[in-house]
Parts: sequence; C-alpha cells; structure tokens
Amino acid sequence: NAGVTQTPKFQVLKTGQSMTLQCAQDMNHNSMYWYRQDPGMGLRLIYYSASEGTTDKGEVPNGYNVSRLNKREFSLRLESAAPSQTSVYFCASSLRTPTNYGYTFGSGTRLTVV
Amino acid sequence: QKEVEQNSGPLSVPEGAIASLNCTYSDRGSQSFFWYRQYSGKSPELIMFIYSNGDKEDGRFTAQLNKASQYVSLLIRDSQPSDSATYLCAVRSDMRFGAGTRLTVKP
Repeated sequence: NAGVTQTPKFQVLKTGQSMTLQCAQDMNHNSMYWYRQDPGMGLRLIYYSASEGTTDKGEVPNGYNVSRLNKREFSLRLESAAPSQTSVYFCASSLRTPTNYGYTFGSGTRLTVV
Repeated sequence: QKEVEQNSGPLSVPEGAIASLNCTYSDRGSQSFFWYRQYSGKSPELIMFIYSNGDKEDGRFTAQLNKASQYVSLLIRDSQPSDSATYLCAVRSDMRFGAGTRLTVKP
C-alpha cells in the first residue's frame, strides 16, 4: 500500500529558483493538505484542498501556490524560492475535512534554499 | 488566533515509568483531538484520537479529554525506549498542530 507519496525527498534550490513538490494518494481520500515543519514550530498548514476542484489558504500561504490536479494529486509550487522557505514539507490526506479519523502523511520533502 | 499549546520538553522518563504529555487548546468549539508520534527524520503517524470527555485507552496509551478545561493529555504506561519520539497534538476544527513534546525514555 503506497498511501501518500511525495516527490522529491530532498531538494536544494538557489534563491529565486522555482520548483513544484508533487503529492499523490491512492486511498480515495477527498481532502489533501500541505504542511511545513520547522524546528520548534510544529506543523503549519500552508494550503489545503477539501475536495477536488477546491483549494484554500492555511496559516502560512505566502510564497506558495497549489494545484489540485485531480482527486489523487495535489502539488505545491514555489515560484521564487527564498531562504525562509527552507523546511521539511509534508503532504497529508484524509477522507474528508474536518475529519474524525486524522491524516495520513507522506514521507516528506526536505528543501534547502541557499 | 486559535492556538494549540504543548510543552516542548524534552521530557525524560525511565523505562517502565508513565509518561504524561499535555496539550491545551483555545477554540472551545473544537470537537476532536489527535495525538501523533513522530520519530526523528520521519513523518507523523496517528496513534490516538478522542472526541468525548473522559478517557480512551488503546494498549499502553490513554488519551484524556477535558473540554471544560480545554486540555487533552496522553499517558504512556510502561514506557519503552522505542517510545522516544516527538508527540504532536492536533485539533480537528482548523487542522492546527501543537509544536510537539519531545519524549526520551531512558533504559
């Protein structure tokens, strides 16, 4: 069972470069999320998609864009990377939102912006 | 701003002891609460959820919820070195996580 798959696992970018983080789930979940995790700050929600065709801002959306490509895939784009975006990024999914059953997380993408 | 607060720790307990982890939240309308375990360098994994006042037990883990006082706690009985991890509390209503408490269980 693949669950939630994120690519790439590691990435180094130069300031100003762009990139897209990919996320796909095979659990037929309706809702998908992007979080970033920084030391001492826990997980912070960047964007989420409650269902296919919808996206909403979370707590820290500035500098990011998202696309819910279909029910399975939810991508996160950094248009012009900044050192402040150095972080570990997690994609997650749930059957619906809000959920009583929690999230399934991908393995994460460790991004360094130099 | 809705908040979820946890003591960042580190919390250190000897093997076999009870580890007690606490979380407070500000949104009185919150319905469900989750505890995740995160090993270093890994992604969070769900270990417990609770939505009714009182206790919920699953093996060595007990989640306790007190909506009047707006806190939720996680007790780990007979702590093992393999329980050493960061424990994250999360609130259903706005998908917000606490910063996590780092637990170390010493042999």
